[in-house]
Amino acid sequence: SYELTQPPSVSVSPGQTARITCSGDALPKRYAYWYQQKSGQAPVKVIYEDTKRPSGIPERFSGSSSGTMAILTIYGAQVEDEADYYCYSSDSSGNVWVFGGGTKLTVL
Amino acid sequence: EVQLVESGGDLVQPGGSLRLSCAASGFIFRNYWMSWVRQAPGKGLEWVANIKDDGTEKYYVDSVKGRFTISRDNAKNSVYLQMNSLRTEDTAVYYCAVSGDWGQGTLVTVSS
Repeated sequence: SYELTQPPSVSVSPGQTARITCSGDALPKRYAYWYQQKSGQAPVKVIYEDTKRPSGIPERFSGSSSGTMAILTIYGAQVEDEADYYCYSSDSSGNVWVFGGGTKLTVL
Repeated sequence: EVQLVESGGDLVQPGGSLRLSCAASGFIFRNYWMSWVRQAPGKGLEWVANIKDDGTEKYYVDSVKGRFTISRDNAKNSVYLQMNSLRTEDTAVYYCAVSGDWGQGTLVTVSS
């Protein structure tokens, strides 16, 4: 079955740039979505269709994609950005979807 | 603005059944694929199923095939998840989703 692979954890100091990767064989052909989930809360979409940012999401959140990897970049990470981040995409058929295992971002 | 409101979550015994509903608004429902995703306590997110805009195609994660059925009623702007033969590992918050937007979820607890 199709899989998306994320690092379990990323740690940065406040004001630094955080990069969270997501690798999958179908990513060259399929959009990636990124979700932020803070403790005890429902997930929030922070990036959709690889690079688009929903209204209300700070500009420091940026998405990119190259080959089999999608990347979520948080420029000038803030303490309030501490959360679990999940990538989400489909297999090559576009019919079966999958989440990455999630990355815990620590900002301190 | 997209709004998705899930309902139907409950406590059910192993082997039991439950039907989840999702009422959608703020977009042209009949034009969009709809999905269900879930999150077990303390675990990551898992895509469960999706259904084509006209209901003619349905896809499921392997762990629910043969037990869960996704359906929709375009006249009522609603999507459903019929869950049979429930297992303790199906315990999760279930979210309805469209184009990356989700509702707030409904809790399903499978326990004796």
